[in-house]
Amino acid sequence: AQTVTQSQPEMSVQEAETVTLSCTYDTSESNYYLFWYKQPPSRQMILVIRQEAYKQQNATENRFSVNFQKAAKSFSLKISDSQLGDTAMYFCALPRVQGAQKLVFGQGTRLTINP
Amino acid sequence: DAGVIQSPRHEVTEMGQEVTLRCKPISGHNSLFWYRQTMMRGLELLIYFNNNVPIDDSGMPEDRFSAKMPNASFSTLKIQPSEPRDSAVYFCASSPGFGAFFGQGTRLTVV
Repeated sequence: AQTVTQSQPEMSVQEAETVTLSCTYDTSESNYYLFWYKQPPSRQMILVIRQEAYKQQNATENRFSVNFQKAAKSFSLKISDSQLGDTAMYFCALPRVQGAQKLVFGQGTRLTINP
Repeated sequence: DAGVIQSPRHEVTEMGQEVTLRCKPISGHNSLFWYRQTMMRGLELLIYFNNNVPIDDSGMPEDRFSAKMPNASFSTLKIQPSEPRDSAVYFCASSPGFGAFFGQGTRLTVV
């Protein structure tokens, strides 16, 4: 069974700092996607970044990048030059079954960016 | 594209009443999901449709919950009768095959 674990319930950094959110997972699949979602106070779930497991290159979207370690089943999110608008809950997610998009979510990390 | 559209945004109802939540997925997406989010249980998948057909409803809590997708552009989630423990944020999401794009959610309060 697929599982996703986020071990940091809360994090807090100063504006402009770099912050890394951790995520570990377990799956028996050999090829899969991994996702990070952001949920700001407006509660909208926003897809931040995705990684395809067969790609060795880490995905990057502007200030957001991932450190994907397939052997270790680790998928961390790095936010560079953090901004106040980055304050949100962040969820790591993994599809439950290859080819299907039933996402299994981690427990979430509440990130606060302080001015 | 307007994204996934859910209605209503907020719903307050009395215990025992029927509640219907609505969703319009992104055009061209072939998968649709209903999730429920609570503080205690986080995000839970309730049901998943592929090409308008329910594929997996194992997350539906009990018979009081039902979901339909009569066509590719519309889905409903119905709770009858509603109970206070159904209070949560309900999300609809659609997918083109990888990743899911979420609506803004419906905050349901059953009193």
